[in-house]
Amino acid sequence: DAKTTQPTSMDCAEGRAANLPCNHSTISGNEYVYWYRQIHSQGPQYIIHGLKNNETNEMASLIITEDRKSSTLILPHATLRDTAVYYCIATGGSNYKLTFGKGTLLTVNP
Amino acid sequence: EAGVAQSPRYKIIEKRQSVAFWCNPISGHATLYWYQQILGQGPKLLIQFQNNGVVDDSQLPKDRFSAERLKGVDSTLKIQPAKLEDSAVYLCASSMRQRHSYEQYFGPGTRLTVT
Repeated sequence: DAKTTQPTSMDCAEGRAANLPCNHSTISGNEYVYWYRQIHSQGPQYIIHGLKNNETNEMASLIITEDRKSSTLILPHATLRDTAVYYCIATGGSNYKLTFGKGTLLTVNP
Repeated sequence: EAGVAQSPRYKIIEKRQSVAFWCNPISGHATLYWYQQILGQGPKLLIQFQNNGVVDDSQLPKDRFSAERLKGVDSTLKIQPAKLEDSAVYLCASSMRQRHSYEQYFGPGTRLTVT
């Protein structure tokens, strides 16, 4: 899996958009970008994933740059319940495993 | 749909004692994973099962950790004897093993404290 780099922590005001960056400059052509989040005292939760194109679901949007070297997870209207550690993972192995880094602690403030 | 179940949720033991954790994956999920998460770090994969066979156990400390998944459903992870550095949250996850899908469903974890 390609190495990913994320900021250690970020703050966001409730109701505003949260934009979480991730650098994956060594990503290979067949690797996907996956985002998970982990709310305190819970297991990680899948959010969204993409390969080349931008993706949107009910939880978030994922913007992947054209060269695929970086991506941004967007939570359009952050709530206090979105306070969590967000993990960006670049993966494409045939054994279907995930390698987690330390992630970004997003704190949504009232 | 029921999620991944784990028990116990919390366990406190003394070093050199043994402990076992249980996981019941989502029904129909062929792949099961055990992760160790030390405070302040992301989860680290310990072992991956496909049905009842081991796919990857390269990061499992085999001198003290063991895991099994009899009948390809439930799984147990055992530590014997425990060390202080084994204090962590042990997470179980399962997936359907669909091509090009890395979506895993995680249980709530078992928090182990070794004193």
